[in-house]
This record gives sequence, structure tokens and C-alpha cells, in this order.
Amino acid sequence: GEDVEQSLFLSVREGDSSVINCTYTDSSSTYLYWYKQEPGAGLQLLTYIFSNMDMKQDQRLTVLLNKKDKHLSLRIADTQTGDSAIYFCAQKGGTASKLTFGTGTRLQVTL
Amino acid sequence: EPEVTQTPSHQVTQMGQEVILRCVPISNHLYFYWYRQILGQKVEFLVSFYNNEISEKSEIFDDQFSVERPDGSNFTLKIRSTKLEDSAMYFCASSTTNEKLFFGSGTQLSVL
Repeated sequence: GEDVEQSLFLSVREGDSSVINCTYTDSSSTYLYWYKQEPGAGLQLLTYIFSNMDMKQDQRLTVLLNKKDKHLSLRIADTQTGDSAIYFCAQKGGTASKLTFGTGTRLQVTL
Repeated sequence: EPEVTQTPSHQVTQMGQEVILRCVPISNHLYFYWYRQILGQKVEFLVSFYNNEISEKSEIFDDQFSVERPDGSNFTLKIRSTKLEDSAMYFCASSTTNEKLFFGSGTQLSVL
């Protein structure tokens, strides 16, 4: 079945770049997503990438997809304290309507 | 900016009681979903709904669960007889094309 894995925790200093990594198993993935969850809030869609793309950039966010290795990463440039949150990777496979989520990576931004 | 609205934000119920979780999806969206997150675990898919019927459901979504779109705006999840293990954060989501899902803030369900 589908599985999505992420490291649990990442700590970076304010102003540095953050890179959050994700691996997935479903080779039929069509879309891959990054969601952000702040304390007490819902899942905010940050960005997503279609599986035939290698990279997508949106302001401070860069998504890289290595389809061969089934590896997805999210780079946040110039990380700010407001970026502190849990970041979830998710994939959508084939004709399925469901998203399969990773465990989430807690990003801590220190001064 | 339009958003998915869920009520209540917290629901406490006794084991065996029925609960209805309510969601108002974004108005022009056509696909609707329920997910849940048990504390410390992954966000799990429960069900997707399109064109007034269930399009996909997970193993979790057994006979105790049902969904309904009673009018043009609400989308509800009913749990008929709650169990302790139903305690979780329940997220509603909607999308226009089954591609970009927008989630609500969730309802924290506690079953005592």
C-alpha cells in the first residue's frame, strides 16, 4: 500500500534555509503536496507539484521531486519564526481521490 | 479568502452516543472529504464524496459512519455509536477538481 515517511523534527536558525524531506512508496503518485499546520489550526495547503515536474518555486518555497528515488523536499528560504509549524507531505495516487499523509515534520525556528 | 468551516471546534460525548460533525465547504467546490488524526498518529483518509454519493472510503469508514450533504451548503459526518477509539481531530476538506484540497480547522472529538 501507499506509505509516506518524514523525519519528525527539524530545528533551524532564523534567516537560514530549511529543508524538509519526504519519501513515498506509491509509484503511481500523480500529485504531491506540502501542508502546514500551526498550533490549533487546520491544514493549510502550501504548495503542490504534479508528478511530471522536477521543481516548483513559489516565493520562498521550492519543491524538488526526484521521482526515481520517490523523494520530495520542501525548501524554505530565509526561514522566519512564523514558519514554525508542522509540515506534512502528502501524495495522491492514480485515480484515487484520497491523500496519504506523512507523519509531519515539526519545524522549530530559533533566534 | 473563502475557507472551509467546521463546527463545533470541540465535541465531548459519551461512549455509545451519536455525534454529527458539521462542515461548510467552499461554495463552488464539488468534492468533499473527511479525514481524521488520532493524537500522535498520521492524518488518515475516511471518505470522499462527489455528485451526492461516496466516491471512495477507507477501511475505517465502516457502518458506524455516514456522510450527508443535506442541503446545498453543509456536509456532515455522523458517527452512530461512538467508541473510545473514535477520539480524534476530524478534518473536513473540499476541492473543485479533486486536485487541490482545502481543509477546515478541524473538530476535536473526545469520547469518554
